[in-house]
Amino acid sequence: ETGVTQSPTHLIKTRGQQVTLRCSSQSGHNTVSWYQQALGQGPQFIFQYYREEENGRGNFPPRFSGLQFPNYSSELNVNALELDDSALYLCASSPGLIYGYTFGSGTRLTVV
Amino acid sequence: AQRVTQPEKLLSVFKGAPVELKCNYSYSGSPELFWYVQYSRQRLQLLLRHISRESIKGFTADLNKGETSFHLKKPFAQEEDSAMYYCALKPAGGTSYGKLTFGQGTILTVHP
Repeated sequence: ETGVTQSPTHLIKTRGQQVTLRCSSQSGHNTVSWYQQALGQGPQFIFQYYREEENGRGNFPPRFSGLQFPNYSSELNVNALELDDSALYLCASSPGLIYGYTFGSGTRLTVV
Repeated sequence: AQRVTQPEKLLSVFKGAPVELKCNYSYSGSPELFWYVQYSRQRLQLLLRHISRESIKGFTADLNKGETSFHLKKPFAQEEDSAMYYCALKPAGGTSYGKLTFGQGTILTVHP
């Protein structure tokens, strides 16, 4: 068991809509990162939250935003969805910045 | 900026043969290197990290700072090693602290 749960597992949205993806981390994991994995590619870093504040961001536009809550859950929000946003979105959590990450199974987002 | 390159997208070997999955990186600072594995229909999971200097499932990897490489090796491949393998780099400090940069992955197939 890994203790990182993502919901939903699959989602279909229309271009222009907004979406919220959720992640529940293990107790004590105060660091959470989100990744986008396009088909056939390695995961791409979107952003990271440490103790409820964003402390690192990859090359993604501002319409990708996130939140981390005190109960070790987090959200990834994407506004104005584009077809290229179709991907597997992975959440990874860690007990601290210097430790390794535990990944969730991901949410498969399809934008049509 | 950091980059991770896995030159082989596909690698096939026979059971019992040695296997080496290549990983090269570029990063100006002191990196931490990881290998992640994803078995069929399972989530991404950590295989090993260079600072641990351990052998997991018979796999080892040595960080070669001179050649900026972190190749994954196993002397005798098993069929259950068939999976997607990702090499990943994490900077040790700065604003991208904690951010994992992944390579594109290598699909290893071990034939009976």
